[in-house]
Amino acid sequence: EAGVAQSPRYKIIEKRQSVAFWCNPISGHATLYWYQQILGQGPKLLIQFQNNGVVDDSQLPKDRFSAERLKGVDSTLKIQPAKLEDSAVYLCASSLLDSGNQETQYFGPGTRLLVL
Amino acid sequence: AQSVTQLGSHVSVSEGALVLLRCNYSSSVPPYLFWYVQYPNQGLQLLLKYTSAATLVKGINGFEAEFKKSETSFHLTKPSAHMSDAAEYFCAVSDGANFGNEKLTFGTGTRLTIIP
Repeated sequence: EAGVAQSPRYKIIEKRQSVAFWCNPISGHATLYWYQQILGQGPKLLIQFQNNGVVDDSQLPKDRFSAERLKGVDSTLKIQPAKLEDSAVYLCASSLLDSGNQETQYFGPGTRLLVL
Repeated sequence: AQSVTQLGSHVSVSEGALVLLRCNYSSSVPPYLFWYVQYPNQGLQLLLKYTSAATLVKGINGFEAEFKKSETSFHLTKPSAHMSDAAEYFCAVSDGANFGNEKLTFGTGTRLTIIP
């Protein structure tokens, strides 16, 4: 079974530029998450999708970050314009409920963003 | 609000020695607790999870963790460390009441180094 795919793996941009990240979840996983992991910290949830609807985006800085999952499969996360403090690893995860209604999140390798 | 505290940002143990990584949680509802491992330049991989069944949870790679409600702890252990265990370990908590909507709150991580 293929895992969660993310691209690009690395991105270097200058502040005030725009950047987009792509995530392809595990086939059949309805729930998709984007996390931000700043160096030396644990991942922090940015946004959660259930199919193509947003479940929680309370921690997404909406003045500069946006995300979509139009067909309920792939998702993109965009930053416009980027700030120095956006330098981090952006992790995508997808999940599925098992027969016991237990959820396990599977993470992709992440996109490492450096803003100069 | 839920939170986890991981005591010790860096832990070093000798190969073959006991591994003990500490995690304390705070939650107003019965929690679900997780340990994830992150190898360099990779995403997070689930080691084990506690979901209110047995308090001693066995995971992959010989790791286990014990849920102690009285101590609000969920420490991760492995009897004998192997060089391949060198990685970053994250403890996480979620609200176990919301099936399919389990947002994870992560600790800041513990980097485990194995001394040959």
